[in-house]
Amino acid sequence: DIQLTQSPSFLSASVGDRVTITCRASQGISSYLAWYQQKPGKAPKLLIYAASTLQSGVPSRFSGSGSGTEFTLTISSLQPEDFATYYCQQLYTFGQGTKLEIK
Amino acid sequence: EVQLVESGGGLVQPGGSLRLSCAASGFTFSSYWMSWVRQAPGKGLEWVANIKQDGSEKYYVDSVKGRFTISRDNAKNSLYLQMNSLRAEDTAVYYCARAKLPPGIAVAGTFFDYWGQGTLVTVSS
Repeated sequence: DIQLTQSPSFLSASVGDRVTITCRASQGISSYLAWYQQKPGKAPKLLIYAASTLQSGVPSRFSGSGSGTEFTLTISSLQPEDFATYYCQQLYTFGQGTKLEIK
Repeated sequence: EVQLVESGGGLVQPGGSLRLSCAASGFTFSSYWMSWVRQAPGKGLEWVANIKQDGSEKYYVDSVKGRFTISRDNAKNSLYLQMNSLRAEDTAVYYCARAKLPPGIAVAGTFFDYWGQGTLVTVSS
């Protein structure tokens, strides 16, 4: 079974910062990776699929890259509404999550 | 507008049963794989089960095999999860999600583009 490991698990940043979250797969998964944002008490929201394709309606400050076993989610300039938990996903497997908190 | 609305959660004793429902609207339900994903309190996301458009293929996470059954009624635009022999570790918010696979992409590229608001299942005596 494929395992996805996100780093870091916790991230503290300020409004306006550029942040990067990494997701590593235990074996090559081509570009088959999606990223989600989840706020407390809410359902996850799809941000990016196929590693780098932005879902319709998602702000362009979000971007994804990578292929094979290493992937990144980048937020170019953090906004107050971006503080949340982020998950990567490949088919039936989710990463453990990265909680992005306000510094 | 795509909407997924779950119902049926609640408090149940260990060993008990519960049936979750998900009402879909705003898209052609019969054209999509559908899934259940759960989240234990304070924990991450865990895929539980999915079902093909016509119900002919179903897949489950190992921890629920033999206890949970996913099904759908395309005439009613509804997805279901029958949960039997419930355990404390099944306590979670259960989300209904639409599975999306872009054209020309392998099944491994499946992702979840719409989610319901979730329904809480608590297994406790």
